[in-house]
Amino acid sequence: GQQLNQSPQSMFIQEGEDVSMNCTSSSIFNTWLWYKQDPGEGPVLLIALYKAGELTSNGRLTAQFGITRKDSFLNISASIPSDVGIYFCAGRMNYGGATNKLIFGTGTLLAVQP
Amino acid sequence: KAGVTQTPRYLIKTRGQQVTLSCSPISGHRSVSWYQQTPGQGLQFLFEYFSETQRNKGNFPGRFSGRQFSNSRSEMNVSTLELGDSALYLCASSPGLAGSRSEQFFGPGTRLTVL
Repeated sequence: GQQLNQSPQSMFIQEGEDVSMNCTSSSIFNTWLWYKQDPGEGPVLLIALYKAGELTSNGRLTAQFGITRKDSFLNISASIPSDVGIYFCAGRMNYGGATNKLIFGTGTLLAVQP
Repeated sequence: KAGVTQTPRYLIKTRGQQVTLSCSPISGHRSVSWYQQTPGQGLQFLFEYFSETQRNKGNFPGRFSGRQFSNSRSEMNVSTLELGDSALYLCASSPGLAGSRSEQFFGPGTRLTVL
């Protein structure tokens, strides 16, 4: 199946550090989304981006829609233990009819040591 | 508002059996999508429904099917189960289709194990 390239695959950091992860695609998307998934739960939407070049924040999280429409970045500032989880990017493209179909990235496992 | 609910949460089946999974979307949401999550393939789109019509389908064999009812609740069915069907099956609902920037909310998933 199709997956987006997401890096890094995993990160082990100290509490208080900043985190950066990115997602790249060979295809153009017109929507980029970032989700977080905790064990045993479904993904939870963190940030949605709809326009090339858009920079959006949600608390300590900041994400950007790449100007080429083929990539996106997520930054987490001043990490805390509850940031632990798997982060997924997801892209959506609408050609003609509207669709909610998402193509997901491979995921970034984040571990935060207190 | 209650979130997306999926039943059952856990299921164990044997090869060759069939299974039906259920999803109740958030009240007022008319679009439901299904995804399969496995360690090897990650999150893969199965299909999406809007107003009881299948709008899009992923690259899965015909053993995977679904439907949506008039109250927006959805079911997916997998027939002739194979070991490789073991996965977390996630349902997501949204008010409408992407044109309205209405994003999807995921349920907790159904963990299917095929023995």
